[in-house]
Amino acid sequence: EAGVVQSPRYKIIEKKQPVAFWCNPISGHNTLYWYRQNLGQGPELLIRYENEEAVDDSQLPKDRFSAERLKGVDSTLKIQPAELGDSAVYLCASSLPGTGDTGELFFGEGSRLTVL
Amino acid sequence: DQQVKQNSPSLSVQEGRISILNCDYTNSMFDYFLWYKKYPAEGPTFLISISSIKDKNEDGRFTVFLNKSAKHLSLHIVPSQPGDSAVYFCAAGSLGRLYFGRGTQLTVWP
Repeated sequence: EAGVVQSPRYKIIEKKQPVAFWCNPISGHNTLYWYRQNLGQGPELLIRYENEEAVDDSQLPKDRFSAERLKGVDSTLKIQPAELGDSAVYLCASSLPGTGDTGELFFGEGSRLTVL
Repeated sequence: DQQVKQNSPSLSVQEGRISILNCDYTNSMFDYFLWYKKYPAEGPTFLISISSIKDKNEDGRFTVFLNKSAKHLSLHIVPSQPGDSAVYFCAAGSLGRLYFGRGTQLTVWP
């Protein structure tokens, strides 16, 4: 069974440029998460989707970050414009119905963003 | 303000010995606690979890202990193997949201 797929794996951009990350969760996982992991830190939740509905986006910096999961399957996270402090690994995760409440998430390999 | 803290950034253990990784938390409302393991250039993978109503959960070489009065969580790996070398993240959750610690780099040497 295929795991959580993310692209691109690496992205280098100059500040003020836009960037987008894509995630395809495990088939049948209706809950999808975007996390950000800064260097030397643990992952921090940005947004959680139940199907196509964003049920927890309180940690998403909405002035420059946006996310969508239009058909309740794959998702895109966008940053526009990027700032130096956005350099991090952006992790996508998914979970089976019901297990998200116990924390068993399946993570992708992450997208490493470097903003110059 | 970190709600989950891993105060040891690194731990080095000889193969065959016990590895003990520690974690402290501040929020008494957490319902569940987990450990994730992460290899370089990979995403974290789920290792073991424990509900707040239990104080111990065991899965093969891995045992997680929960001390709610002390708000302390630990992961025991016995015996440790070189393949266990990775970063271990402690996480705690409630209402579908997980909070992660900064991680502990475990190195198991032969």
